[in-house]
Amino acid sequence: KAGVTQTPRYLIKTRGQQVTLSCSPISGHRSVSWYQQTPGQGLQFLFEYFSETQRNKGNFPGRFSGRQFSNSRSEMNVSTLELGDSALYLCASSSPGSGGYEQYFGPGTRLTVT
Amino acid sequence: QKEVEQDPGPLSVPEGAIVSLNCTYSNSAFQYFMWYRQYSRKGPELLMYTYSSGNKEDGRFTAQVDKSSKYISLFIRDSQPSDSATYLCAMRGGSLTGGGNKLTFGTGTQLKVEL
Repeated sequence: KAGVTQTPRYLIKTRGQQVTLSCSPISGHRSVSWYQQTPGQGLQFLFEYFSETQRNKGNFPGRFSGRQFSNSRSEMNVSTLELGDSALYLCASSSPGSGGYEQYFGPGTRLTVT
Repeated sequence: QKEVEQDPGPLSVPEGAIVSLNCTYSNSAFQYFMWYRQYSRKGPELLMYTYSSGNKEDGRFTAQVDKSSKYISLFIRDSQPSDSATYLCAMRGGSLTGGGNKLTFGTGTQLKVEL
């Protein structure tokens, strides 16, 4: 079974621009969560989507948004990029049958804002 | 104060040693406890998960949860150089509808197993 895939793997953007990252979950998984990982703050929860609905949201500004499609693929968008948005963005998928606690991560998208 | 505290290390041990990694937490609502391993420039890989208090063993890995002390541990027996990675503890509440699938992570402990 294929794992979680994320595209692109690397991205360099300029301050003020916007960016869209994509995540394809493991086949059959309907929950997709997004996390930001930085050396200073570690892994921080951004939001979770389940059956195209946002089920939970972390403490990030409104510049961070996401959505989920009917095939469970998810995208996250960051508008008006700031230097502090440079991070590894990870998505994780899980299956309802597992109780949700078995979350499987993708390789991440490394975003650099200059 | 962070909800989950984890010593960042680095922790350096000789090959074959028993490694003990630990996390403490403050939120009594946490019910599910996980350990992830992350190699450099890779995504976290789920190693172990436990529900509530108790022990769970899988090969060379043993996870322990003590909810009364709000303390979780991961033990690695017969450590190998390939175990060199960052180990992250993660926790979640019991309700999917309440807290959703949000995981709260420790900052990770960097482990190096030397030949």
